[in-house]
Amino acid sequence: GDSVTQMEGPVTLSEEAFLTINCTYTATGYPSLFWYVQYPGEGLQLLLKATKADDKGSNKGFEATYRKETTSFHLEKGSVQVSDSAVYFCAGGYNKLIFGAGTRLAVHP
Amino acid sequence: GAVVSQHPSRVICKSGTSVKIECRSLDFQATTMFWYRQFPKQSLMLMATSNEGSKATYEQGVEKDKFLINHASLTLSTLTVTSAHPEDSSFYICSARGSLGTVTTNYGYTFGSGTRLTVV
Repeated sequence: GDSVTQMEGPVTLSEEAFLTINCTYTATGYPSLFWYVQYPGEGLQLLLKATKADDKGSNKGFEATYRKETTSFHLEKGSVQVSDSAVYFCAGGYNKLIFGAGTRLAVHP
Repeated sequence: GAVVSQHPSRVICKSGTSVKIECRSLDFQATTMFWYRQFPKQSLMLMATSNEGSKATYEQGVEKDKFLINHASLTLSTLTVTSAHPEDSSFYICSARGSLGTVTTNYGYTFGSGTRLTVV
């Protein structure tokens, strides 16, 4: 069946460091792909999305490109801030979303 | 943008009682609602999918008689945890998918803020 695999955390970075969180998917065809962020005790917020191959989603300095050839949707940010500390979920699907395991990011001053 | 209101945000109930969680789409018609369960420090597990006016479709391993889902209107879905027990304690999150007003473009999935259920 369809699945989403993302790198395990936690990821610990210093402020202004470069961030990459890997995500790959396995599916029939090319589903829409999403990155969601969850702050402690809260629900999920959509961070960015891409609906077809080569699409680039971007928001708040975060970017991810839908790579059909590698079935990947890696999340990147050039310079993280302490306020980016949260759990990040990669997800994909057609009629329902399948989530990766989540990656906890901790950014220290 | 699309907003989904979920409440209560927190609920504590006694073992054996039932708890209802509501999920409302505030500015769009939610043709499909999804209910997820999240254990501490884990990912979201899809419990069921419901389309307005139809019976919910439950994922494998989810007890439909224990987790009753109603999606009677295009703006409201409810999840009732019946005869709750401590092992039902978890974070429950709803998600809605639909289109804004008369626009047919799918605006994707919008999540509620979650309900933390504690059964004592």
